[in-house]
Amino acid sequence: DTAVSQTPKYLVTQMGNDKSIKCEQNLGHDTMYWYKQDSKKFLKIMFSYNNKELIINETVPNRFSPKSPDKAHLNLHINSLELGDSAVYFCASSQVAGADTQYFGPGTRLTVL
Amino acid sequence: GQNIDQPTEMTATEGAIVQINCTYQTSGFNGLFWYQQHAGEAPTFLSYNVLDGLEEKGRFSSFLSRSKGYSYLLLKELQMKDSASYLCAVKNYGQNFVFGPGTRLSVLP
Repeated sequence: DTAVSQTPKYLVTQMGNDKSIKCEQNLGHDTMYWYKQDSKKFLKIMFSYNNKELIINETVPNRFSPKSPDKAHLNLHINSLELGDSAVYFCASSQVAGADTQYFGPGTRLTVL
Repeated sequence: GQNIDQPTEMTATEGAIVQINCTYQTSGFNGLFWYQQHAGEAPTFLSYNVLDGLEEKGRFSSFLSRSKGYSYLLLKELQMKDSASYLCAVKNYGQNFVFGPGTRLSVLP
């Protein structure tokens, strides 16, 4: 009965590859987010979707493309992976956009070799 | 733009009280959050302040002064399990969240 789940938990890949990370929430929330946490532990928002519509798109390379097939899922596809993409990626959800509380998934540790 | 500042590391003793400060500069302030993150785990919500004053939740309290762009998280009766990073985050009217760099707290026996 995990609230926000992500797969995979660990992802090791070569530079130049394309990979996807999946996120699902079973809380019935309307809004989902993707965050990147780098080696210095800075947590930065990348995207936010509300009811499958993109509402926040921070300065992120267009190699990153989020996709929301329904409001319970927000997947992140990354093309042409680079060394600097190595980080932990967290998915989160909240009841509505800008709500008090965001619930985070367990994170996906991406390592690009 | 937005800027959030927190001390990088703090150390305290089990049973003591510790105050973690957060200063911010932002336009269109619409709330401040504190999250706890244990090593290798996801952040978990601790508190939310949108009006000035103190919010108390058990051993944890959070204070906000909007005029000073300042908040603190107060942890009482520290326990070993409180060793974690504490992230301050600010929300603006564009519903965007900006997280601070986090403060790594070590609780010693």
